[in-house]
Amino acid sequence: NAGVTQTPKFQVLKTGQSMTLQCAQDMNHNSMYWYRQDPGMGLRLIYYSASEGTTDKGEVPNGYNVSRLNKREFSLRLESAAPSQTSVYFCASTQIGGSNQPQHFGDGTRLSIL
Amino acid sequence: AQSVTQLDSQVPVFEEAPVELRCNYSSSVSVYLFWYVQYPNQGLQLLLKYLSGSTLVKGINGFEAEFNKSQTSFHLRKPSVHISDTAEYFCARIQGAQKLVFGQGTRLTINP
Repeated sequence: NAGVTQTPKFQVLKTGQSMTLQCAQDMNHNSMYWYRQDPGMGLRLIYYSASEGTTDKGEVPNGYNVSRLNKREFSLRLESAAPSQTSVYFCASTQIGGSNQPQHFGDGTRLSIL
Repeated sequence: AQSVTQLDSQVPVFEEAPVELRCNYSSSVSVYLFWYVQYPNQGLQLLLKYLSGSTLVKGINGFEAEFNKSQTSFHLRKPSVHISDTAEYFCARIQGAQKLVFGQGTRLTINP
């Protein structure tokens, strides 16, 4: 079982460049999430998608956009990367958001903005 | 806003010693709590969860946690740790209908 797959695993960008982080899950989950992890701050929610066709802002959405391409895929886009966006990004999914079921996480994308 | 606080950023212990990682949450009517573990360069894995029922929750790898409503705590314990338990541990709770709120994390270091 692949679970939640994130690509790429590592990326280095220059300030102002754009890129899209990809996430796909094969568990037929309805809800998907994007988090960023920074030292001493735990994981903070950037955007989430409760179901196919819907997206909502989380705690730290500025500088990001998302697309729920279909039930399996949820991408995160940085339009103009900034050094403050250097972080580890995690995608997660759960069967039904709000059902108190745990989220399943990918292995992360380590992103450095120079 | 509902929150989760992990009281220790780092916890060093010796191998085979017991360990407790502390987590407190802000009180609300319904509380659903989780502990996740993150091994180096990996994503988060669920250790255990409290949704309702028994306040003592057993998880994987010999970990357990106790939900204490009066003290608004959900501390994680293991009676004897191994080198392989070296990782970062996150306490989390459900917020609203969709969101998971995390504590700051506790880095557990096991010394031989």
